Amino acid sequence: EIVLTQSPATLSLSPGERATLSCRASQSVSTYLAWYQQKPGQAPRLLIYDASNRATGIPARFSGSGSGTDFTLTISSLDPEDFAVYYCQQRSDWPPKLTFGGGTKLEIK
Amino acid sequence: QVQLQESGPGLVKPSGTLSLTCAVSGASITISNWWSWVRQPPGKGLEWIGELYQIGGTNYNPSLKSRVTISVDKSKNQFSLNLTSVTAADTAVYYCARGRHAFDVWGQGTMVTVSS
Repeated sequence: EIVLTQSPATLSLSPGERATLSCRASQSVSTYLAWYQQKPGQAPRLLIYDASNRATGIPARFSGSGSGTDFTLTISSLDPEDFAVYYCQQRSDWPPKLTFGGGTKLEIK
Repeated sequence: QVQLQESGPGLVKPSGTLSLTCAVSGASITISNWWSWVRQPPGKGLEWIGELYQIGGTNYNPSLKSRVTISVDKSKNQFSLNLTSVTAADTAVYYCARGRHAFDVWGQGTMVTVSS
């Protein structure tokens, strides 16, 4: 079973700063890695799919990179609306299973 | 624009069955798509429950497989979740979502509490 480990658990930054969030897989997941943003009381929102492709309507300040076991979500310049919890997620096809990382809370410093 | 809407009881008794429905609008559930259920206990992370694909195929999270059934109602363009023998640990917000490798459309979620 593939386990996704996100770090840090909490990241304290100020608006305008650069945020770098990490997701490490216990074994290779190729590039089938997605990132989501979740705000309190809301459903998750897809940001990045296939490791580096921005979903429809996602601002260019969000970017994803990585392959194999190490992935990164970068927010180039934090907007006040970016403070939320971020999850990574992968799918393995055999056995079929989707798993999420434990999340990184991005909070205002 | 594809939209998903969960519905079902907000309170289920311990040892009972949790039953939820996800209504799909803006797309036909019979067209090649993958549909999942995901849950989130209060204050915790996301857990995939299972999926429906190619209108009939299902995959379930091994940790829940013995208690879960996901089914489709093509005539109503919706799919459903049944989770049996529930306990307090099944208390969560339940979401339906579309996608195979990533979920691009989510329902708003529905809170289900397991309590007597």
